[in-house]
Amino acid sequence: DAGITQSPRHKVTETGTPVTLRCHQTENHRYMYWYRQDPGHGLRLIHYSYGVKDTDKGEVSDGYSVSRSKTEDFLLTLESATSSQTSVYFCAISQGSGSNEKLFFGSGTQLSVL
Amino acid sequence: AQKITQTQPGMFVQEKEAVTLDCTYDTSDQSYGLFWYKQPSSGEMIFLIYQGSYDEQNATEGRYSLNFQKARKSANLVISASQLGDSAMYFCAMREGQSNFGNEKLTFGTGTRLTIIP
Repeated sequence: DAGITQSPRHKVTETGTPVTLRCHQTENHRYMYWYRQDPGHGLRLIHYSYGVKDTDKGEVSDGYSVSRSKTEDFLLTLESATSSQTSVYFCAISQGSGSNEKLFFGSGTQLSVL
Repeated sequence: AQKITQTQPGMFVQEKEAVTLDCTYDTSDQSYGLFWYKQPSSGEMIFLIYQGSYDEQNATEGRYSLNFQKARKSANLVISASQLGDSAMYFCAMREGQSNFGNEKLTFGTGTRLTIIP
């Protein structure tokens, strides 16, 4: 257990509304990531953070923004949700170093945009 | 071009048999890492095994081993003596470049759904 909590676990929203997903970690990890999972695509990186207020884009960042005002929280915001953003969203942290380094994932958030 | 290719969308295997899940990758980096994750029906992503590009031995973790063939750019997962609990989606993933103390931006394949038959 890497001490990652995602909230909410499930959310249904309407097109055009803002949505914020939260990832909370308790073990002071520097790097945090947001991925989305869609059938036929596996997991794709949206944004990641390498420290407080330090973030960068991933492969599928359009339509998403992130913020990290403190080490333990990494927020993913959909400014104006679209149906194409219906997906399962996973937060992850890096743990270990060198050959022991691996990503640990949260339980995921199922987001449905109607 | 796909960086990670998993050509088997689904597989059915008899319980207690060994199973090999295929993964090929594409990178021009000399330093990279290869990962396998398991996703059961409950949805969580579970780390299984890791292989570094400079590791000379194939990685092993209990019943899991990674058949790493660098020249062929393949990193197949082998599960020995399969169990009913092995039924899940399995994802191959790659980190390009050297591991940099937490900078693990992974590229994932599309996954293989493994079903173990009693």
